[in-house]
Amino acid sequence: DTGVSQNPRHKITKRGQNVTFRCDPISEHNRLYWYRQTLGQGPEFLTYFQNEAQLEKSRLLSDRFSAERPKGSFSTLEIQRTEQGDSAMYLCASSSSTGGRAEAFFGQGTRLTVV
Amino acid sequence: AQKITQTQPGMFVQEKEAVTLDCTYDTSDQSYGLFWYKQPSSGEMIFLIYQGSYDEQNATEGRYSLNFQKARKSANLVISASQLGDSAMYFCAMRRPSGGYNKLIFGAGTRLAVHP
Repeated sequence: DTGVSQNPRHKITKRGQNVTFRCDPISEHNRLYWYRQTLGQGPEFLTYFQNEAQLEKSRLLSDRFSAERPKGSFSTLEIQRTEQGDSAMYLCASSSSTGGRAEAFFGQGTRLTVV
Repeated sequence: AQKITQTQPGMFVQEKEAVTLDCTYDTSDQSYGLFWYKQPSSGEMIFLIYQGSYDEQNATEGRYSLNFQKARKSANLVISASQLGDSAMYFCAMRRPSGGYNKLIFGAGTRLAVHP
């Protein structure tokens, strides 16, 4: 296992279109996170899964955003009716629930540009 | 509210010199974790170092060390013997186990440029 994998790496879409991103976490990790990072800022938390259960959602996650993690493996993040303000880097991270440090490992992100 | 503050938007350092990147945090929790991540231009966030709030010793990981001053709520990253490959964005982050499901709260970052 080489780490957290995100696809696609880049996505350009027209305003109003729907987009879906995929994240494959490190296989033994039961925790999965989505973050959004805009230019010049640190990542902001969007949502969190433990196994297949979505346990927390940020207020940043409007009703146009939905995330799933079927069977507790890979996760998808869908944005419906994209807006220019959705342009950002979307980062996925995974971690294990065991161990005190339990650092999160991040993927390389999906950079979304809405035109 | 929990908050991470990184007051240095950009820092310059000469190759082989040491550099300190500042981070202060605000929390009312007693138990928390502090992390530093490096983000090169490729976009991936790379874990560097971790400090638990109850750890009595400052954390070290190779050329990275964390100057943890709990009373001042600061967790500065020290990079010794800087290398050209250290040029990147550096983010300080805090994790709150209680009520936060271990999500990370990030600062705005510091861009480090290492000059030859």
